[in-house]
Amino acid sequence: NAGVTQTPKFQVLKTGQSMTLQCAQDMNHNSMYWYRQDPGMGLRLIYYSASEGTTDKGEVPNGYNVSRLNKREFSLRLESAAPSQTSVYFCASRREQDRVNQPQHFGDGTRLSIL
Amino acid sequence: KNEVEQSPQNLTAQEGEFITINCSYSVGISALHWLQQHPGGGIVSLFMLSSGKKKHGRLIATINIQEKHSSLHITASHPRDSAVYICAVRSHGGSQGNLIFGKGTKLSVKP
Repeated sequence: NAGVTQTPKFQVLKTGQSMTLQCAQDMNHNSMYWYRQDPGMGLRLIYYSASEGTTDKGEVPNGYNVSRLNKREFSLRLESAAPSQTSVYFCASRREQDRVNQPQHFGDGTRLSIL
Repeated sequence: KNEVEQSPQNLTAQEGEFITINCSYSVGISALHWLQQHPGGGIVSLFMLSSGKKKHGRLIATINIQEKHSSLHITASHPRDSAVYICAVRSHGGSQGNLIFGKGTKLSVKP
């Protein structure tokens, strides 16, 4: 099993360009998450999806959109990239189980630079 | 004040030393996670605990719910343990498993 797969691993964009970060998981997890990681800060939640067809804002959603295409895939879109969005982006997934805590499984990250 | 505080921020140790990384939090939690992030960037879950102590190989995680504090210990440290260790908590009433993360502790183990 591949677990959580993110593409691309690296990307350089110019200010104003758009792009979509892809994430797919093969563990049949219900919940999926997008985080950003910046130097000196903890991981911050951008958006999450509790199930197929639902998405909710996290701590830092401005400038981003998401799509939960199906149970496997959760994409993150930057419509008009800004230098402040230079970061490392992580996708994660989690199995939801009533009253039982489950860990999140992370992808390898996407390093995004906006010039 | 951050809801999850880790100490130290940076830690350098000699191979073989016993290492302790601390995590304090200010919210009521249903679970606490310890994660490891290697220099390549990938993040893996080491432990998830809500009480007591867990052990896996040379790693031991403890939590004191009353004191809102957790520690991660590494016995007989090795250079391959060099990584960033991240503490994260799931708060009571937190939606959909959302985690609050500490800033991480960067560990470097010298041979």
